[in-house]
Amino acid sequence: GAVVSQHPSRVICKSGTSVKIECRSLDFQATTMFWYRQFPKKSLMLMATSNEGSKATYEQGVEKDKFLINHASLTLSTLTVTSAHPEDSSFYICSARGQGENTEAFFGQGTRLTVV
Amino acid sequence: AQSVTQLGSHVSVSEGALVLLRCNYSSSVPPYLFWYVQYPNQGLQLLLKYTTGATLVKGINGFEAEFKKSETSFHLTKPSAHMSDAAEYFCAVRKSGGYQKVTFGTGTKLQVIP
Repeated sequence: GAVVSQHPSRVICKSGTSVKIECRSLDFQATTMFWYRQFPKKSLMLMATSNEGSKATYEQGVEKDKFLINHASLTLSTLTVTSAHPEDSSFYICSARGQGENTEAFFGQGTRLTVV
Repeated sequence: AQSVTQLGSHVSVSEGALVLLRCNYSSSVPPYLFWYVQYPNQGLQLLLKYTTGATLVKGINGFEAEFKKSETSFHLTKPSAHMSDAAEYFCAVRKSGGYQKVTFGTGTKLQVIP
């Protein structure tokens, strides 16, 4: 399958600071990328969907000013958690898919964010 | 609307025993169904998927699943469990006909006992 690389795999930041997570498709052009949040012992919650060159579409209840998503190229999307709080600590996972109706999405390795 | 229900948040099997992880779905249109595996602190890896055609789908690592429309089920099985199968498994569904967002189940943690 295609490769999606997410960086960093772990990050610790102080409350009030911002942290950026990158999601790259290494061997295909990702027209659409998805950002998920996974709480402990819970399923994946879709946060937003981003299409290259367009504004991200956020799911209900997700603060777009807090979770900034940029999808500036066909191989890179970033999620920036702004003014991080301890309750933002979580596992964040991206997935990316190329063109085509039945093209599936591939997942990155995830990023463990801890806000102290 | 679409949803997925995974019965049993934890399943324990002995090494060499049959693995059965249950998944039931609801969808207003013909669904595409998936099983993913997640190892600790890692992303999701696709095990197998059903879109159309043959209802018995074979995936990686010896896993297979059968789409049963009458039962709205897509249970995951493996004849003989290995220690390396210990992980979290997620069933997922999305609508067919153009790409739609994926809805995940709550996951089943598989423990393999030596």
